[in-house]
Order: sequence, then structure tokens, then C-alpha cells
Amino acid sequence: DSGVTQTPKHLITATGQRVTLRCSPRSGDLSVYWYQQSLDQGLQFLIQYYNGEERAKGNILERFSAQQFPDLHSELNLSSLELGDSALYFCASSPRGKVGDYGYTFGSGTRLTVV
Amino acid sequence: QKEVEQDPGPLSVPEGAIVSLNCTYSNSAFQYFMWYRQYSRKGPELLMYTYSSGNKEDGRFTAQVDKSSKYISLFIRDSQPSDSATYLCAMSDNNAGNMLTFGGGTRLMVKP
Repeated sequence: DSGVTQTPKHLITATGQRVTLRCSPRSGDLSVYWYQQSLDQGLQFLIQYYNGEERAKGNILERFSAQQFPDLHSELNLSSLELGDSALYFCASSPRGKVGDYGYTFGSGTRLTVV
Repeated sequence: QKEVEQDPGPLSVPEGAIVSLNCTYSNSAFQYFMWYRQYSRKGPELLMYTYSSGNKEDGRFTAQVDKSSKYISLFIRDSQPSDSATYLCAMSDNNAGNMLTFGGGTRLMVKP
């Protein structure tokens, strides 16, 4: 167990629907990162939060949004889902959200299937 | 062209072999280099972390960085069936947020 908890583990939903993925960071970590992993694109950075505030944004679609709550858990909201959104979504956390954090700790991911 | 290129494999070796995994990159601003191991249906776990050029050793694993050639390597000595996994290289420049850019991963299979 890495200490980063992601729920749900699996999600199957229809096109056009909206889903919410949840992440609880490792105890003491203030920064949360969201990544999407697909077969053809590999691990792609979506967005980072640090202590409740957005710090960096990657190639995140406008249909996707995220937030980090005062208790530091984070949610990734995906709306108007398309077949191409089917992927593994990983959350990771690190202590300070800086390069000196020596990498980050990943959760086990949420496998999203859009049908 | 992707910023970080990695041979997808699969790479199949017999138990006990020395394994060499490699990545090339194009962004000269990358200064921090990592190797992650990902087992099937699991999240990536950090194996090695190096800063700038040079070598770093940890048990059976050795990471090498050659910034002049924009090339990094991970060597696994005395490979074991339990090393069978996908290996991902990752890199970061000195950006404020510690965003990592990943290679596509190399699938390694170590046969008993």
C-alpha cells in the first residue's frame, strides 16, 4: 500500500455522462497530481494542486476539472465523456510539490471505461 | 516527436541476466531523472532518482545519466522473475510544480 488512496478502482459509464474520481494523498503530503495513462499516449500530466490551490496545468481538457479540499483530498471531475476518455487515471502526491520532493508516490489508479 | 522516447519492448531475458533499459530525450532543461516500475494493474513506484549527470547505484539497480547525449539508462543486475514489469523513465526541469514528463515505458519479462 503506497499510502495514496484512489476510489473507485473501476468505473464503467456511458458516453455523455459525468464521473468523479477521488484521491486521498499520503499522510503529510500537501501536493496532489493527476495523470492519465492510455495505451497510445502513456502517462500524461493533467493538473497539480498544492495545499488547496492549483499550481500547474497540463493538457487537461476543458471538460475535465479538479479541486483539492481543505482536508487535502482531491477530486477529478470528467464530464461529457467520450469513448476516447477511457483510460487509467492516476493520482500521485508529494510533500511540497517541488522538484526536491524526489519524485512522487502514486495511487493504484481508477480504470475508467466509457461505453 | 515525443519529448521522451523509450523502446516499448517487450524485452525478454533469462533469470540472472543483466538488463539495460534506456530513454532518450530532447529537452535540455531536464535536470532530474527518475525510473519507475509499474506492475500490471498497479500504480508506478519510484525506483531511482538522480540529479544531473552521473551514476547512482542501489542494490541490483544502477541509473546512469548522460546529459551531453540526452540519454539515461537503468541497469538491473541478476534479474529475477519478480522484476517482470513495465519500467518508465521520467524527467523534470526546474519547474515550479514538479511536473514529470514520462517515457512510454518498456515492458520487461524475466523468464525463470
